[in-house]
Amino acid sequence: KQEVTQIPAALSVPEGENLVLNCSFTDSAIYNLQWFRQDPGKGLTSLLLIQSSQREQTSGRLNASLDKSSGRSTLYIAASQPGDSATYLCAAFALNDYKLSFGAGTTVTVRA
Amino acid sequence: KAGVTQTPRYLIKTRGQQVTLSCSPISGHRSVSWYQQTPGQGLQFLFEYFSETQRNKGNFPGRFSGRQFSNSRSEMNVSTLELGDSALYLCASSLGTSSSYNEQFFGPGTRLTVL
Repeated sequence: KQEVTQIPAALSVPEGENLVLNCSFTDSAIYNLQWFRQDPGKGLTSLLLIQSSQREQTSGRLNASLDKSSGRSTLYIAASQPGDSATYLCAAFALNDYKLSFGAGTTVTVRA
Repeated sequence: KAGVTQTPRYLIKTRGQQVTLSCSPISGHRSVSWYQQTPGQGLQFLFEYFSETQRNKGNFPGRFSGRQFSNSRSEMNVSTLELGDSALYLCASSLGTSSSYNEQFFGPGTRLTVL
C-alpha cells in the first residue's frame, strides 16, 4: 500500500523567500506524481504533474522534482507572495493499486 | 472549457438519511473519481468510474456507492448516514485512458454535514 508523507505540516515565511515543500512515498512503482494547491474549504487545483520518466517539471515560479529511486519529490516556489498561502498536497499514482494516494499536505503562510 | 462541476455545494442531513451527490466532468473526460476529505483522515479514495464501469474501489463500507452515466456524469450515494460521514466530497475527472494515467482535475466539492 502506497504511503505518502509531507513534512513539514506547516510553514510560515516572509514574502519574497523561496519555498521548499517535501513529499516522500513508499512505493517507487508509480505512474506519476501530482502537486495540488487547496485553499480553505475549496477543491484542489492541479499545479504540476510529473510523469515517472521525468526528473522535473516547471511552470512559472513553480518547479517540481522527482526522484523515484529515493521515493521523493520536492516542490519549489520562487519568490513567494501572500497569494501563495494555501495548503499544498502531493499525490502519487501507484501502479500496484491504480489510484492516487495523497499526503496530508503542507499548509503555507506567506507573511506580507 | 468548463471545469468539473459538483452539485449541490452544501448539504445538511440527519443520521439515517441517504444522500446523492452529482459530478459533471470536463468535456471529453471519461474517468471520474470520488474522494472523501476529513480533517482526521485527509483525502481518501472512494471509487473510480470509467465508461460507466467501476474500475477501482477504496476501503469504504457498502453504504457508499456510485454510478456513471453514458455522458460520463457521475453520482455517488451514501445510505444510512452516520455522523462520521460529515466531510468534503471531491470529484475529479481525467481522460482516463486504460493504458496510462492522465492528470486529474478536481471540482469544488460538496460539503456534507450530518447532524
